[in-house]
Amino acid sequence: GDSVTQMEGPVTLSEEAFLTINCTYTATGYPSLFWYVQYPGEGLQLLLKATKADDKGSNKGFEATYRKETTSFHLEKGSVQVSDSAVYFCALSLYGGSQGNLIFGKGTKLSVKP
Amino acid sequence: NAGVTQTPKFQVLKTGQSMTLQCAQDMNHNSMYWYRQDPGMGLRLIYYSASEGTTDKGEVPNGYNVSRLNKREFSLRLESAAPSQTSVYFCASSENAINYGYTFGSGTRLTVV
Repeated sequence: GDSVTQMEGPVTLSEEAFLTINCTYTATGYPSLFWYVQYPGEGLQLLLKATKADDKGSNKGFEATYRKETTSFHLEKGSVQVSDSAVYFCALSLYGGSQGNLIFGKGTKLSVKP
Repeated sequence: NAGVTQTPKFQVLKTGQSMTLQCAQDMNHNSMYWYRQDPGMGLRLIYYSASEGTTDKGEVPNGYNVSRLNKREFSLRLESAAPSQTSVYFCASSENAINYGYTFGSGTRLTVV
């Protein structure tokens, strides 16, 4: 079935380090791909998205490129800040998909130390 | 610009008690969803409503019921709470999930003792 796999966390980085959080997917069709961020004690917020192959989503210094050939959508940021500490969720959405349309990964917790 | 509003934010129940979690959205979205979030389990879909007047089971519907009261409101009811239902509950809505994803509420933290 359709699914999303994220790298296990937690990920701990020092401020200004480079961030990569891996996300791969399995889908029967052509999904849209999303990254959501959840700050402590809050709900999930859409961080960025890409709706077709080779699209790059970007927001707040974060980027992810939709790679159909490797079925991946890895999240990157060149220089993380303490304020980026949060849980990050990768998700996919399919036309006509069941189970509420969005399928989420299990989340990756990021901690950034000063 | 309220988005998705959930009430209450925190609740403690005794085993066997009932309660309803409320969710309302002001974005005129057709679809609404209830998820639970547990450590190490990610988000699990409980129920969803693709449009007013319809509801469908998700991955973990046992022990819950839902009502899509109108286009704005989608409530989740626990008839007889159990400790296994201790969790953080999120409501979300969408109009066109494949292009825009979901908008989430801020969550309800429920503890059943």
